[in-house]
Amino acid sequence: DAMVIQNPRYQVTQFGKPVTLSCSQTLNHNVMYWYQQKSSQAPKLLFHYYDKDFNNEADTPDNFQSRRPNTSFCFLDIRSPGLGDAAMYLCATSRGDRGYTDTQYFGPGTRLTVL
Amino acid sequence: DAKTTQPPSMDCAEGRAANLPCNHSTISGNEYVYWYRQIHSQGPQYIIHGLKNNETNEMASLIITEDRKSSTLILPHATLRDTAVYYCIVRGGNTGKLIFGQGTTLQVKP
Repeated sequence: DAMVIQNPRYQVTQFGKPVTLSCSQTLNHNVMYWYQQKSSQAPKLLFHYYDKDFNNEADTPDNFQSRRPNTSFCFLDIRSPGLGDAAMYLCATSRGDRGYTDTQYFGPGTRLTVL
Repeated sequence: DAKTTQPPSMDCAEGRAANLPCNHSTISGNEYVYWYRQIHSQGPQYIIHGLKNNETNEMASLIITEDRKSSTLILPHATLRDTAVYYCIVRGGNTGKLIFGQGTTLQVKP
């Protein structure tokens, strides 16, 4: 089945130690998104790629960066994780249709713990 | 994008219809109503979306009022596996971004 895959499902890192989360998709979608979801809160968009074009949300901290080496893969890099970055990180994809009916499909998420 | 208002929580008996309301009084003409749900510790799952007309798929029905200021998601025969947070999202504008509100926690009880 075509899907959005996130690895690992659980990641533990130390305060200040860089960490990379990965997302892959078999849907051949043009757009890939990264969301952050803190405990008991709604998901919040960090940034997205439309093909190779990177689109950062205005309030996303500089500590968060992303790479998309090809259509299938997208990475979330946290340069110096703080305790406040502990969260579920969700990857989503969409075809990239122009207009308002471009459904986003989510992966299962990676839960990041910062010690 | 227009804001949405949903009750924070609802209960439903297993096998009964679950009716989840959403207010979006500031919705504009080109904005769609989307519903997603998130089961505990999983990624959000797309349910259904609509513009003006009522919509139905294998998961649910979406009823949108004629003035489009509110909508109701209907799960016709709720099961325990439908226990989740349900998000109503108004989506449109130039970016079509999903902006999640706090959603409704639906608890389906035996």
